[in-house]
Amino acid sequence: DAGITQSPRYKITETGRQVTLMCHQTWSHSYMFWYRQDLGHGLRLIYYSAAADITDKGEVPDGYVVSRSKTENFPLTLESATRSQTSVYFCASSGGTGASYYMNTEAFFGQGTRLTVV
Amino acid sequence: SQQGEEDPQALSIQEGENATMNCSYKTSINNLQWYRQNSGRGLVHLILIRSNEREKHSGRLRVTLDTSKKSSSLLITASRAADTASYFCASSGAGSYQLTFGKGTKLSVIP
Repeated sequence: DAGITQSPRYKITETGRQVTLMCHQTWSHSYMFWYRQDLGHGLRLIYYSAAADITDKGEVPDGYVVSRSKTENFPLTLESATRSQTSVYFCASSGGTGASYYMNTEAFFGQGTRLTVV
Repeated sequence: SQQGEEDPQALSIQEGENATMNCSYKTSINNLQWYRQNSGRGLVHLILIRSNEREKHSGRLRVTLDTSKKSSSLLITASRAADTASYFCASSGAGSYQLTFGKGTKLSVIP
């Protein structure tokens, strides 16, 4: 199916475990983003990427790792999960113009992953 | 810190009334976008206004941008119960592809 999909939709993990959230888009969009959404904070940018093998830290990158070996995938890994990482995580992609290196089109969002760290 | 900040945080109106939400941002932008989020769902793009534009319309939506005041407003005319959602502004700074969001305005439209 065309679009952007996140998996899993729901995840419960224990403190200290490593967990990876997956994001896959079928449009070959250049830009991809990871956000977390918490009450009172809106959406906060964790990491973003302009193309395969190009990633940048956002507002709240500590405790997270990303990779982008293929254009269509942008997994987010919590190296050692903590309770403060309990949140809803959203992945997004945008076509943009990679050569221009700035956002000029809309972003498309996945349905989110609700992560609970116990 | 987040680039955009919406105001008000929450807004409750009667069906048929107009709803106005405001967004302020901190640095020079390429463009400003508005998104909508229904409860428990992902965000959906509504409209994008470029830094050299002052006003843009899309159906019942009207967006204005004042770069001198670093602010934007979203007007929803003749609101419907189905417009009940959270609305976010997002901006991309000049020379950057980082897309940052504000905290959102929660709109409730009462039938």
